[in-house]
Amino acid sequence: AQKITQTQPGMFVQEKEAVTLDCTYDTSDPSYGLFWYKQPSSGEMIFLIYQGSYDQQNATEGRYSLNFQKARKSANLVISASQLGDSAMYFCAMRDVYGNNRLAFGKGNQVVVIP
Amino acid sequence: DGGITQSPKYLFRKEGQNVTLSCEQNLNHDAMYWYRQDPGQGLRLIYYSQIVNDFQKGDIAEGYSVSREKKESFPLTVTSAQKNPTAFYLCASSIIQTNTEAFFGQGTRLTVV
Repeated sequence: AQKITQTQPGMFVQEKEAVTLDCTYDTSDPSYGLFWYKQPSSGEMIFLIYQGSYDQQNATEGRYSLNFQKARKSANLVISASQLGDSAMYFCAMRDVYGNNRLAFGKGNQVVVIP
Repeated sequence: DGGITQSPKYLFRKEGQNVTLSCEQNLNHDAMYWYRQDPGQGLRLIYYSQIVNDFQKGDIAEGYSVSREKKESFPLTVTSAQKNPTAFYLCASSIIQTNTEAFFGQGTRLTVV
């Protein structure tokens, strides 16, 4: 069964600082995809970044980058130069073929950016 | 505009009543999903469907039912058998591939009164 683990407590980060959000996953499928979503207080889910299990390089998307350590089954999100608008819940998610391509989510990390 | 639409945004239900949440997408996606979100629990999968007239139970399907009569529509019924239905419900759709993200609706907040 798929399992996504996000265990950090809520985080406060200073504006313009970088923040790293941890995510570990468990799958026996060699082919899988990892996703990060942002959920502001409005409730919408915003897709941020994707990493494929066969990708040789870490994914980057603007201020977002993914620190992918396949052997450790870790896919940490790094947000550089934090902005006040980054205050939100952040969810790590995975889909794999063994899991019938269903999208499974972790419990999320709360981030609050302070000026 | 292509997207996924959930309605209503807020819904109040009396105990013992069934209620149906609407989800429509015009993205031509084969897969559709229903998630429930409670504080501190993240998103938990209720049901998902990868093709018309077929759907599978997720992790917390008890007390819920779905139908997929059209590709564009995946309504969720919260039945009176659901013990604690007050939650935020999110619908999503996607292409069926491991490397594609899911697109989400705005969510429906259901409160049982």
